[in-house]
Amino acid sequence: EAGVAQSPRYKIIEKRQSVAFWCNPISGHATLYWYQQILGQGPKLLIQFQNNGVVDDSQLPKDRFSAERLKGVDSTLKIQPAKLEDSAVYLCASRRTAANSPLHFGNGTRLTVT
Amino acid sequence: GQQLNQSPQSMFIQEGEDVSMNCTSSSIFNTWLWYKQDPGEGPVLLIALYKAGELTSNGRLTAQFGITRKDSFLNISASIPSDVGIYFCAGLPNTGNQFYFGTGTSLTVIP
Repeated sequence: EAGVAQSPRYKIIEKRQSVAFWCNPISGHATLYWYQQILGQGPKLLIQFQNNGVVDDSQLPKDRFSAERLKGVDSTLKIQPAKLEDSAVYLCASRRTAANSPLHFGNGTRLTVT
Repeated sequence: GQQLNQSPQSMFIQEGEDVSMNCTSSSIFNTWLWYKQDPGEGPVLLIALYKAGELTSNGRLTAQFGITRKDSFLNISASIPSDVGIYFCAGLPNTGNQFYFGTGTSLTVIP
């Protein structure tokens, strides 16, 4: 099966600019996650969707970050305006709803804010 | 939030040696996952564990779900240069639906 697709792979922007990332999960995976991974650390959850509904966005900095999954398939994550500390890899992951279902990651988008 | 303690933080080993790493949590988990991440790539799933005491192999890799359900172990036998990378554990607690990740173990294999 095709894996989790993400684009772009790399993005360089200046602080205060906006940026958007796109994710297409594995077909049939109802649950979609966005993670932020800072160099040298494990992934940190930003937001979790179940179909087109938000399950958990408690760690999403909502003053600048937003995400949507309007049709319950692909998703976009936006940052506006970006700060220097947003430089990180943004990973999308998906899994089936079933209890014994692992998490599958995309290759991520590496964001550099200058 | 839930913290996973992963150790060791880094390992430098000779090619052919065996490797062991582990993750511990402060609460009970229902699922343990082990990933390998190469530079510039996303984490790739190595082994998934769903039952206390479960021992699962994937080639030279073997992982175990601890009996207490608060820990998990990953072993790599006869390491080779392509084993180089960062290994992460991830767990799903007994309550809630958020995966938590360890801080990673960086593995260097010296030919």
